Amino acid sequence: GNSVTQMEGPVTLSEEAFLTINCTYTATGYPSLFWYVQYPGEGLQLLLKATKADDKGSNKGFEATYRKETTSFHLEKGSVQVSDSAVYFCALRMDSSYKLIFGSGTRLLVRP
Amino acid sequence: DAGITQSPRHKVTETGTPVTLRCHQTENHRYMYWYRQDPGHGLRLIHYSYGVKDTDKGEVSDGYSVSRSKTEDFLLTLESATSSQTSVYFCATDGGASNQPQHFGDGTRLSIL
Repeated sequence: GNSVTQMEGPVTLSEEAFLTINCTYTATGYPSLFWYVQYPGEGLQLLLKATKADDKGSNKGFEATYRKETTSFHLEKGSVQVSDSAVYFCALRMDSSYKLIFGSGTRLLVRP
Repeated sequence: DAGITQSPRHKVTETGTPVTLRCHQTENHRYMYWYRQDPGHGLRLIHYSYGVKDTDKGEVSDGYSVSRSKTEDFLLTLESATSSQTSVYFCATDGGASNQPQHFGDGTRLSIL
């Protein structure tokens, strides 16, 4: 079946470090891909999305490129801030489907 | 955001009692969802609704029921709560297009003792 695999956390970085959170997917078809962020005590917020191969989603300095050949959607940011500390979820949604399939989440901790 | 309000935000109750969680949306979205979030599992879909009185099961529906009598309200009921249902519950909504994101409420933290 369709699934999403994320790297295990927590990821601990110093402020201004480069961030990569890996996400790979398995899907029978061509899904739309999403990154969500969850700050402590809050719900999930959409961070970025990409709906077809080679699309790049970007928001708030974060980027992710939809790579069909490697079935990946890795999240990157050039210089993280303390305020980026949160849990990040990769998710996919198949065409004509209600279902959003999540990875298990990766906790990011950024130290000053 | 999408104007999603969950109530209560926190609840502690005892095993065997009934519990109802409410989700209210102001965006007139057709689809509404209930998820539970547990460590190491991400979010798992409990039930969803694709219109008034139209609901269906998700991947972890045992022990839960839902109702949707109005577009804006989606209720999740635990008929007889068990400790395994201790979790954080999230409601989400969307218009139904697969390339569009779901919008989430702030969650209900439910503890069953």
